[in-house]
Amino acid sequence: AQSVTQLGSHVSVSEGALVLLRCNYSSSVPPYLFWYVQYPNQGLQLLLKYTSAATLVKGINGFEAEFKKSETSFHLTKPSAHMSDAAEYFCAVFGSARQLTFGSGTQLTVLP
Amino acid sequence: GAVVSQHPSRVICKSGTSVKIECRSLDFQATTMFWYRQFPKQSLMLMATSNEGSKATYEQGVEKDKFLINHASLTLSTLTVTSAHPEDSSFYICSPRTGGPGNEQFFGPGTRLTVL
Repeated sequence: AQSVTQLGSHVSVSEGALVLLRCNYSSSVPPYLFWYVQYPNQGLQLLLKYTSAATLVKGINGFEAEFKKSETSFHLTKPSAHMSDAAEYFCAVFGSARQLTFGSGTQLTVLP
Repeated sequence: GAVVSQHPSRVICKSGTSVKIECRSLDFQATTMFWYRQFPKQSLMLMATSNEGSKATYEQGVEKDKFLINHASLTLSTLTVTSAHPEDSSFYICSPRTGGPGNEQFFGPGTRLTVL
């Protein structure tokens, strides 16, 4: 079985502040892990992915995530938030089920 | 990068009618197509998976006779919502993949269906 838990359905940060979106996963096999961003009424865009290479993964728009096996976590970070980062973010796991399972999503609000 | 289109982007229909949603992979061959639905403020839920030329495999709780999926070519898949009801109103997203499990899935821009 595989699952994803995103802690915090809503996160608010000030512009220029650190962004931290949390994701924990479970998988009975070594997983692939993904972060996607979704803007209103649009599909998903891939931010970054972990596929068993380097544990620190850098993605687009200044985002990065670190795979920590001991903590079964794959948290998403960005040093300095921009207004354009406001969106819904989904963590996803590809593991034992051999298909993507998505977390419940985190709505990021960036305050001026 | 991979380009995926969906048509229409928005559709409003009357209860009892059928609606067809097209998903095209414009610059790659989609050997597998995933269809998801997303209710407001919720995550994506997988509805069905289809491989080109084969019948779709539906997730538990998804009615195969209501949500007809055709994946007749490597660049086109369609989802037809038959006899639509208001509870079918949702955001439908296709996700093509080339190659086997573990390859990247791409996502269409989605179709907003509203059933009156």
